[in-house]
Amino acid sequence: DAKTTQPPSMDCAEGRAANLPCNHSTISGNEYVYWYRQIHSQGPQYIIHGLKNNETNEMASLIITEDRKSSTLILPHATLRDTAVYYCIVRIRTGGTSYGKLTFGQGTILTVHP
Amino acid sequence: NAGVTQTPKFQVLKTGQSMTLQCAQDMNHNSMYWYRQDPGMGLRLIYYSASEGTTDKGEVPNGYNVSRLNKREFSLRLESAAPSQTSVYFCASSVDGLASYNSPLHFGNGTRLTVT
Repeated sequence: DAKTTQPPSMDCAEGRAANLPCNHSTISGNEYVYWYRQIHSQGPQYIIHGLKNNETNEMASLIITEDRKSSTLILPHATLRDTAVYYCIVRIRTGGTSYGKLTFGQGTILTVHP
Repeated sequence: NAGVTQTPKFQVLKTGQSMTLQCAQDMNHNSMYWYRQDPGMGLRLIYYSASEGTTDKGEVPNGYNVSRLNKREFSLRLESAAPSQTSVYFCASSVDGLASYNSPLHFGNGTRLTVT
C-alpha cells in the first residue's frame, strides 16, 4: 500500500472550514484514498473515500488532485466536536494478501477552537 | 443499531494470565479485524478474517490467536499475557467479501488492556 504524509497538527476556528492535506505520491491506479478520524477514547470513525473524483457526503468533502498524488479533506463548518485525529489512508482496490487491510499512520491532530 | 460491540471495555491482567477479547457485529459483514493501538504507533493490524471460516495474520500477530466463531463473532485470545501487550484493542468489520473491495471499516470502541 502507498505511504501517506500528513501534517502532525492543525488548528481551525469554530464555524470555519477545516482543510486537511495528505500526500500520497506513490499511490497506484488501483488504490483508494480513505479518511478516518478518531475522537479521544473512541474507535476510528469512517468519514469518506474516493478513487479519483471529488466526493461529498454529509460529513465532509474529499478533493483529489488530477494526478492523484495528494488529496484534501474539507470539513465545511468545523465544530468543537470535530476535534480529533484525522487519518488519511490508501487502500488497495482488490484482492491479494493485502486485501481489506488499512494501515494507519500517525494522522493529523485537528484542534477546533472557539 | 449496535454496530460493533467489544467486551470487556477494561481489563487488568497479571503477566502469564490468559484472556479472550470478544467482538460481535450486527451488520452482516463478511470481514472482521483486530487492531491494537499504542501511543505514538498508530493502529496496527493483528489478525483479520476475510470471511467466515478464514483467518490470516496481520502486521503484529505474535502472542495472539483468533477464532472466527461465526459470521457475527471474532475473538482475540492472549494465551500468556505480557506487559508488551498492554494496549487498546479495536475490533472492526467491513462488508468486504471476496467479490467486494470498496467498503469502509466500522470500529468498536475498544478494550483497554493493562498487563502488570
